[in-house]
Amino acid sequence: EAGVAQSPRYKIIEKRQSVAFWCNPISGHATLYWYQQILGQGPKLLIQFQNNGVVDDSQLPKDRFSAERLKGVDSTLKIQPAKLEDSAVYLCASSLSASEQFFGPGTRLTVL
Amino acid sequence: QKEVEQNSGPLSVPEGAIASLNCTYSDRVSQSFFWYRQYSGKSPELIMSIYSNGDKEDGRFTAQLNKASQYVSLLIRDSQPSDSATYLCAVDRPPSGNTPLVFGKGTRLSVIA
Repeated sequence: EAGVAQSPRYKIIEKRQSVAFWCNPISGHATLYWYQQILGQGPKLLIQFQNNGVVDDSQLPKDRFSAERLKGVDSTLKIQPAKLEDSAVYLCASSLSASEQFFGPGTRLTVL
Repeated sequence: QKEVEQNSGPLSVPEGAIASLNCTYSDRVSQSFFWYRQYSGKSPELIMSIYSNGDKEDGRFTAQLNKASQYVSLLIRDSQPSDSATYLCAVDRPPSGNTPLVFGKGTRLSVIA
């Protein structure tokens, strides 16, 4: 069974530029999560989708971050404009049930 | 804000010893508890889940849960250098079932050969 796929794996941009990340969850997993992990910290939820509806986006900085999950499968996370403090690893996870979540390899973003 | 607390370490143990990792959580009604292993530069990997009080064993790993004390731990028996990683404790946010997890900052484990 294929795992969660993410791309790109690495991205370097300058502040005020925009960037987008893509995630493809495990087949059949209706729930998809985007987490932000800053170095030395645990992952922090940005947004949760159930199929193509948003369940929780309370910690998403909506002035600069946006996310969508069209057709209830793939998802994209966008940052516009990026700030220095957005430098982090962006992790996508998916789950089938009972909260057991499986993570993709992540995208390491560096904002200069 | 729900919190999950872990000692950041590093926790150093000799090869073959038992490593004991601890975690406390603040939300008394949490129902699902997870341990993830994260190697440097890699994403978290689920290694244990536990939902009821007591012990759950899987190979060299044992998860222990005490809901009354709001405490969950992970024991690694016969520790190997390949176990050197950061171990993240994660707790669900009620109501349970496909909810986002709240993660601790992780405990860095170093197994010395």
